[in-house]
Amino acid sequence: GAVVSQHPSRVICKSGTSVKIECRSLDFQATTMFWYRQFPKQSLMLMATSNEGSKATYEQGVEKDKFLINHASLTLSTLTVTSAHPEDSSFYICSARHNRQGFNEQYFGPGTRLTVT
Amino acid sequence: AQSVTQLGSHVSVSEGALVLLRCNYSSSVPPYLFWYVQYPNQGLQLLLKYTSAATLVKGINGFEAEFKKSETSFHLTKPSAHMSDAAEYFCAVSVNTGGFKTIFGAGTRLFVKA
Repeated sequence: GAVVSQHPSRVICKSGTSVKIECRSLDFQATTMFWYRQFPKQSLMLMATSNEGSKATYEQGVEKDKFLINHASLTLSTLTVTSAHPEDSSFYICSARHNRQGFNEQYFGPGTRLTVT
Repeated sequence: AQSVTQLGSHVSVSEGALVLLRCNYSSSVPPYLFWYVQYPNQGLQLLLKYTSAATLVKGINGFEAEFKKSETSFHLTKPSAHMSDAAEYFCAVSVNTGGFKTIFGAGTRLFVKA
């Protein structure tokens, strides 16, 4: 149990276009989902926290207008990279927190490799 | 605010040798602590977690970690390294400050020599 999927696993897009990445909790409900960004050989940097039915909370330095997050249901959150540029190329990982009171464990998706040309 | 420091960006051990990956944390409230492993181009897999129960936590693949409050440490160990243990390891801390947020350390790359 507790599987999180991401789609697509890899995407290549041209500079100036937008890309949407989906994150799904397959067998549990997730009131909270998190989006991370990971540069090569570096750690995961939290971009935003997404709660179902409300606006995402962005970390300092993350442009909310560039990285649009939607968490419309308890099993789906999406990250849209708008007007992508080569510097947005990165590994994006989502995670979902199980909807159990007092229980804090995040389950991570397999990641999405975004390359902007 | 909480933070995590992993000492050593690279650790190299021989197959069969002890693995020790160091992690120190900072938190103003009791933390949850985690170790994750990441293989190339993959997501994170939970190795083990500390959630205020037993201070010695056993995880998957023979790994364990000990929570030492006095030292603010949560070092990861494995008695005997295997080639398949070569990967990137992340220590993470999570606290409830009106909503859980998990912060990751910089990571330690483990190399296992034959």
